[in-house]
Amino acid sequence: QVQLVQSGAEVKKPGASVKISCKASGYTFTGYAMHWVRQAPGQSLEWMGWINTGNGNTKSSQNFQGRVTLTRDTSSNTLYMELSSLRSEDTAVYYCARARAAGYFDNWGQGTLVSVSS
Amino acid sequence: DIQMTQSPSTLSAFVGDRVTITCRASQGVNNWVAWYRHKPGKAPELLISKASNLEGGFPSRFSGNGSASGTDFSLTISSLQPDDFATYYCQQYYSYSFGGGTKVEMK
Repeated sequence: QVQLVQSGAEVKKPGASVKISCKASGYTFTGYAMHWVRQAPGQSLEWMGWINTGNGNTKSSQNFQGRVTLTRDTSSNTLYMELSSLRSEDTAVYYCARARAAGYFDNWGQGTLVSVSS
Repeated sequence: DIQMTQSPSTLSAFVGDRVTITCRASQGVNNWVAWYRHKPGKAPELLISKASNLEGGFPSRFSGNGSASGTDFSLTISSLQPDDFATYYCQQYYSYSFGGGTKVEMK
């Protein structure tokens, strides 16, 4: 069965960077695009960006331009999302999600809480 | 950017009630709309794709609908069950934005 297992919670100071991992199993890793979504406390879901796991091409939301880096390691079927220049508003649960060919997200990771505080 | 306006933000209902959540896209999205159920502390679950295609594993009391204009969408639960109390989100997958969410709570 499809599993997306994310790394554990992080506590960071403003201005720092955070790198979250998402290890995929149970399917052909390079056969599906992967997305990142976050949810700040009391807020809705916010799409961050996606990566073509086959060729590594990425596209990010304008809201994160220049601050988010999406990468993947096909040897270990693992995705990475790095967010830099953290501020308190980046405190959120971050999810990876697998996308079907049409674009909707059929499997999600369990979420990683990132807390940004001085 | 395509905005998804979801309403209501909170819905109070009894077990057995019929409830409907609506979502309006700021431009036509060709029925490329998904609905997700999200319970606290859990990952969101895909409920419906292409506006009305129910995912396997979900009962038929859930249904989705889209309009000919491609801008108005709805999710209906025909008879609310205890497991259905959660937050529901619509999403357009042209450019992936989500609605603001609807928390379905027990009255």
